[in-house]
Amino acid sequence: GENVEQHPSTLSVQEGDSAVIKCTYSDSASNYFPWYKQELGKRPQLIIDIRSNVGEKKDQRIAVTLNKTAKHFSLHITETQPEDSAVYFCAATSNTNAGKSTFGDGTTLTVKP
Amino acid sequence: GAVVSQHPSRVICKSGTSVKIECRSLDFQATTMFWYRQFPKKSLMLMATSNEGSKATYEQGVEKDKFLINHASLTLSTLTVTSAHPEDSSFYICSATPGLDNEQFFGPGTRLTVL
Repeated sequence: GENVEQHPSTLSVQEGDSAVIKCTYSDSASNYFPWYKQELGKRPQLIIDIRSNVGEKKDQRIAVTLNKTAKHFSLHITETQPEDSAVYFCAATSNTNAGKSTFGDGTTLTVKP
Repeated sequence: GAVVSQHPSRVICKSGTSVKIECRSLDFQATTMFWYRQFPKKSLMLMATSNEGSKATYEQGVEKDKFLINHASLTLSTLTVTSAHPEDSSFYICSATPGLDNEQFFGPGTRLTVL
């Protein structure tokens, strides 16, 4: 089955700096890669996603890049703000696996004011 | 956007009792619903995949007789934790997908505490 590895597990940055979180996946059939932000006790919120036919996607301060050959994708947050502090999860999804998503272990991002 | 509700949001029960959690897609028909379990400071662990009108598919290591899933309609799936024990205490989250492009919409989660 699919295996997703996420690094780092914790990340602390100063407000205004950039944050980068990286994930690798194992199943070449995976074709949809969402990123979620989860605050304590809340549901995961989709913040950005990318499909396998695209190499990069940007939405204001958030961007995601995908390298299908190397099977890795990354989340980039620029101009970080204290409200960006949360746990971030990457996931890999495959149509051939009944649309199931495999999640990374999460990254706890702390943005210091 | 697509909205998924989950009820109850929090439940405390005694050991040995059964607890039912409902997951509803409010403004779309969900061809598939997923049930996850999340321990504190851990990732989401998929428990089972639920399709309307058919038996749920359970992930390896998840006891189907312990975690009963019923997907009665295209907008409702239920998870029943039978004979709950303290080790079943966890955060249970459902998600639903309309079957287009694999995007999942998550419910708000249910915090289960078994005493």
